[in-house]
Parts: sequence; structure tokens; C-alpha cells
Amino acid sequence: EDQVTQSPEALRLQEGESSSLNCSYTVSGLRGLFWYRQDPGKGPEFLFTLYSAGEEKEKERLKATLTKKESFLHITAPKPEDSATYLCAVQANFGNEKLTFGTGTRLTIIP
Amino acid sequence: DTEVTQTPKHLVMGMTNKKSLKCEQHMGHRAMYWYKQKAKKPPELMFVYSYEKLSINESVPSRFSPECPNSSLLNLHLHALQPEDSALYLCASRGDQTQYFGPGTRLLVL
Repeated sequence: EDQVTQSPEALRLQEGESSSLNCSYTVSGLRGLFWYRQDPGKGPEFLFTLYSAGEEKEKERLKATLTKKESFLHITAPKPEDSATYLCAVQANFGNEKLTFGTGTRLTIIP
Repeated sequence: DTEVTQTPKHLVMGMTNKKSLKCEQHMGHRAMYWYKQKAKKPPELMFVYSYEKLSINESVPSRFSPECPNSSLLNLHLHALQPEDSALYLCASRGDQTQYFGPGTRLLVL
């Protein structure tokens, strides 16, 4: 069974204090790993798709990396508007439409 | 453009009501999804439509009835819901391998 574990569950940072969120996964062949940002009461907003170990993607203050067992979302010099829940999800590699989500990391950036 | 729209934004219904949620995308995506999300939990898959045909039903109770009238539209018909069905209902569509989510409909069942 595919599994995704995110840590920490919650993270409070001062504005400008860089950190990383972790997503550990077990999947029967990885088709893709996805990062989303979700604000309270809103739908998940797509951030990154990673397909293979060693891949990295960047967008503004965010950088996502992927190994064979985990992915990291690095946040550099965060601002209060980066406060949100960050969700990680995987899709298995055999024609399965289903995403397996982690429970998310709730990030709070303190001004 | 990766926009998925959902209406209504909020819905309050009684247990005897019939209502529908609507989802629309114009990105040419051929797979569309309904998810249910409870507070502080990740989205749970309900249904998947692929090329306008229902391909996955995650053992969802029959009081939820999906419909895909065409490749751009997805409906979720609701009937005789229970208070525990109150949640954020999310629609998504898939382009390449990535699912793009709509803003959701916040449903409250009284």
C-alpha cells in the first residue's frame, strides 16, 4: 500500500528564517510526487511536480527536491504570506489515477 | 491557464433537500475528480471521470451521484445527506500528470 508521511506536523518560523518540510513516501513505482499549498477553506494550489530522483524545481522562495525515499520543500527567507498548509502527494506508476496524500505541514510565519 | 471553477462557494442544505455542485474547466483536460475534505485532513478521493466515463468510485454512498455531461463539466448531485457529510468538496482536473484543484464548495448539512 502506498504511504506518505509529512513532518513536522506544524512549524512556526520567524520571518526570514529558512527551513525545510519533509515528505517521506513508499510507493509501488513512482509516477509523480506533487506539492500543493492550501489556505484555510480553499482548494489546494499546485506548486511542483517531481518525477525522478535528483530532480529539483524552484518557484520564488520555494525549492522542491526528490530522492528515492523522500522529498523536501525548502523555504528560503519566508514571508508571512507563505503561511499555509503544505500537502505532499504521490501517484503510483501503473495507470492509477489516485493520489495518496500526506496529512500536511501547517506552516506559520511570524512577522 | 490552470483554472478550475466551482459553484456554489457555500451551500447549506437540510437532510431532505436535493442540491447539485458544479465544476467547470476549459483546459482540455480529459480526467476530472471529486474529492471530499474534512477540517485538518487531506482530500479524500470520491470519483474519477476519464474521457467522460466514470472510472473510479471509491465506495461512495449512493446519496452522492456524479455526472459528467461533457468534457468540461462535472456535477455532483446530492440527496438525503447526513450531517457528517458536511465538508469542503473539491473538484480537480488532470493535465499531463498533475491535478489542478478548484476553490471548493463548503457544504453544511443541517
